[in-house]
Amino acid sequence: DADVTQTPRNRITKTGKRIMLECSQTKGHDRMYWYRQDPGLGLRLIYYSFDVKDINKGEISDGYSVSRQAQAKFSLSLESAIPNQTALYFCATSDPWDRAGELFFGEGSRLTVL
Amino acid sequence: DAKTTQPPSMDCAEGRAANLPCNHSTISGNEYVYWYRQIHSQGPQYIIHGLKNNETNEMASLIITEDRKSSTLILPHATLRDTAVYYCIVRANLPISGSARQLTFGSGTQLTVLP
Repeated sequence: DADVTQTPRNRITKTGKRIMLECSQTKGHDRMYWYRQDPGLGLRLIYYSFDVKDINKGEISDGYSVSRQAQAKFSLSLESAIPNQTALYFCATSDPWDRAGELFFGEGSRLTVL
Repeated sequence: DAKTTQPPSMDCAEGRAANLPCNHSTISGNEYVYWYRQIHSQGPQYIIHGLKNNETNEMASLIITEDRKSSTLILPHATLRDTAVYYCIVRANLPISGSARQLTFGSGTQLTVLP
């Protein structure tokens, strides 16, 4: 089983719908992240959380919200989806005691907003 | 964090060494060079990182120039499975209890290993 699991893997929805992408991890890491990737581009950070009580905005947080329900779970919500939020979304984790800060990524959630 | 410049694409013959360059001319003294790769829309995978000395692990070698303004990732014997987008990232390492300094992924280099 994957250490970082994202659900759903694929989702098609309509403009204005509320969508939640979920991420769970078995690595025991305190730090979790949500990234977005658009075709041909690199990853951009949406939100990150260093522990259950810590939530921080990344470079493109507008239109998104997150919830850190437990150490192992970090959810990304689109309250009212719009077509330009069509993208591939990645969850990642890291170990705060790892000075290298290596990121461990999930397999991605592909979201299409019509 | 310093900006990096990578060629958008490269080809390499299977079994040959793949040498992927990265320019980071504005790197500062406390910034490390990281390499990740992403195979066909999968989650990115960590490869290697270094500060100023050359580094080697089971996946690759990292050669950093003496002035640290550029580096090269070397895959010694490329296979078809190494076809991926390779990202060079420069970032200061996080102190254990410090504020966030996140990895910023640019567009990377699409490496295609040819049979």
